[in-house]
Amino acid sequence: DGGITQSPKYLFRKEGQNVTLSCEQNLNHDAMYWYRQDPGQGLRLIYYSQIVNDFQKGDIAEGYSVSREKKESFPLTVTSAQKNPTAFYLCASTRSGTGRNQPQHFGDGTRLSIL
Amino acid sequence: GQQVMQIPQYQHVQEGEDFTTYCNSSTTLSNIQWYKQRPGGHPVFLIQLVKSGEVKKQKRLTFQFGEAKKNSSLHITATQTTDVGTYFCAAYNFNKFYFGSGTKLNVKP
Repeated sequence: DGGITQSPKYLFRKEGQNVTLSCEQNLNHDAMYWYRQDPGQGLRLIYYSQIVNDFQKGDIAEGYSVSREKKESFPLTVTSAQKNPTAFYLCASTRSGTGRNQPQHFGDGTRLSIL
Repeated sequence: GQQVMQIPQYQHVQEGEDFTTYCNSSTTLSNIQWYKQRPGGHPVFLIQLVKSGEVKKQKRLTFQFGEAKKNSSLHITATQTTDVGTYFCAAYNFNKFYFGSGTKLNVKP
């Protein structure tokens, strides 16, 4: 079955440490997205990529970095510059690069906490 | 950026009662999508509305898009315990999706 795989499911970060969240899709989708979800809140866009080797900042990109070297992979690095990283991180994809009129498919998410 | 306001934040109902959540925008939307997120899960796409005044139904769920394309609603008739979760609307603008803050539905059996 096609889908989006996020790993790990749970992740703990120490002070000053960078951590990388994995997102892999086998849907052959062009666009991929990273969202952050805090308790009781909606999803906020961190970064998105419409095509391989290209990505754009979302609304809360500070303290995060991404890469899109392969169509199926869109890893997110939470850097030490992100002072409040504790959240639920969701990766999503859409079939077309623009995402317009496309349903988003989500992975199961990664819960990140500070040690 | 685009802002989509969603109300109410929480709704507790007795099984069998109806439920409605609303999304509002100050600007005209090109489309609106609705998602459901079960507790501990990820958002799952329910439906998309594109046309002014559009109404779509999925069994007990009715989705509406306002005539001015600035608001939308999701109505559930005769809720069941399986309806528990958080319902989000999402608007698309300039290659990005903007999510409402969600309405958390709790259904008491």
